[in-house]
Amino acid sequence: EDQVTQSPEALRLQEGESSSLNCSYTVSGLRGLFWYRQDPGKGPEFLFTLYSAGEEKEKERLKATLTKKESFLHITAPKPEDSATYLCAVRSGAGSYQLTFGKGTKLSVIP
Amino acid sequence: GAVVSQHPSWVICKSGTSVKIECRSLDFQATTMFWYRQFPKQSLMLMATSNEGSKATYEQGVEKDKFLINHASLTLSTLTVTSAHPEDSSFYICSVISGTGYGYTFGSGTRLTVV
Repeated sequence: EDQVTQSPEALRLQEGESSSLNCSYTVSGLRGLFWYRQDPGKGPEFLFTLYSAGEEKEKERLKATLTKKESFLHITAPKPEDSATYLCAVRSGAGSYQLTFGKGTKLSVIP
Repeated sequence: GAVVSQHPSWVICKSGTSVKIECRSLDFQATTMFWYRQFPKQSLMLMATSNEGSKATYEQGVEKDKFLINHASLTLSTLTVTSAHPEDSSFYICSVISGTGYGYTFGSGTRLTVV
């Protein structure tokens, strides 16, 4: 059974204070690790897909990295508008196209 | 990527009534759609996989007769919560696979409150 654990559950940062969010996973054959941003009362918004260990992707202040056991979402010099819940999900080779989600990390960036 | 429209964005209904939620793929023919449920401070939990022209595949523990899914066309899937009860109050979100199958686009979600 695929498992995804995200830490921390919540993170408060001062504006400009860089940090990282962690996503640990256990899957039977990774077919993709996904990062989403979710604002309150909204559906998840796609950020990145990573497929193999060593892969990195960047978008503005966000950078996602992947190892064989975990992924990190690095946030550089965050702004208040980066406040949201960040979700990690995996797709394994054992099933169909289903995604297994972690509980998310709620990020608050204080001005 | 695909554009997914979900309607309504929120609904309040009385206990015992039924509620229908629509998920439309606006610019992509979606043969497969997914329905998730999200409780406060919890992760998205897959309820069922909706396949166009065939019966939906439900996850373990999800009642087929309570959560009716119809995927009659390549652009529309509906989730009907029948005989809703307060414990069905949750955030329901649909998703489609877009492009090569590795991209997933989510709807904006429906907040259901059963009173």
